[in-house]
Amino acid sequence: QSVLTQPPSVSAAPGQKVTISCSGSSSNIGNNYVSWYQQFPGTAPKLLIYENNKRPSDIPDRFSGSKPGTSATLAITGLQTGDEADYYCGTWDSSLSGYVFGSGTKVTVL
Amino acid sequence: EVQLVESGGGLVQPGESLRLSCAASGFTFSDYSMNWVRQAPGKGLEWISYILSTGTIIYYADSVEGRFTISRDNAKNSLYLQMNSLRGDDTAVYYCVRVRGSGLNYYYTDVWGKGTTVTVSS
Repeated sequence: QSVLTQPPSVSAAPGQKVTISCSGSSSNIGNNYVSWYQQFPGTAPKLLIYENNKRPSDIPDRFSGSKPGTSATLAITGLQTGDEADYYCGTWDSSLSGYVFGSGTKVTVL
Repeated sequence: EVQLVESGGGLVQPGESLRLSCAASGFTFSDYSMNWVRQAPGKGLEWISYILSTGTIIYYADSVEGRFTISRDNAKNSLYLQMNSLRGDDTAVYYCVRVRGSGLNYYYTDVWGKGTTVTVSS
């Protein structure tokens, strides 16, 4: 049972937008910065978003993050077939004294 | 090139021990805190341990507390995970991961190794 809750799957047609939610609490998302990771089957996760809404230099601006309160959201615009992957949110949990990942969301491009 | 390379995985029986290693290159290892993260087959990511750059602060997930020990040797640019009393639910790919952020509440991970597979089975 993950501390951070994500929808198991989301889907949309190419070119459309998808959003992935990550629901937490005041001990994690509410008081700490959120990051997002992309993982393709059989490979290691890759950092997409850090500090709620910042992108590493190699990540296109089609990927964006926000954090309203105790939830966070990853948005992917201009969806491409190459975006089909699993996406995880993550943050420090001050009560657990540990880093926590979301349950993961599979993005499917229809 | 910034790189993390894990080694030491394999097949072990329940109750046995294993030591994972991670060789870091392409960056000043002693400047960074490090993590171990694992992923069971078909499952999500699970953070299991953190160690500060100096090795003086360590955290564990409840699932491994008391059985696993994280350590590092900054002179050898290496991170370790000693795993004792292994169980079937420890079966996973284990990733060595670099930590970034100016404090725990800014915590994120930016470099991941390819992982090493640990299988616990009789």
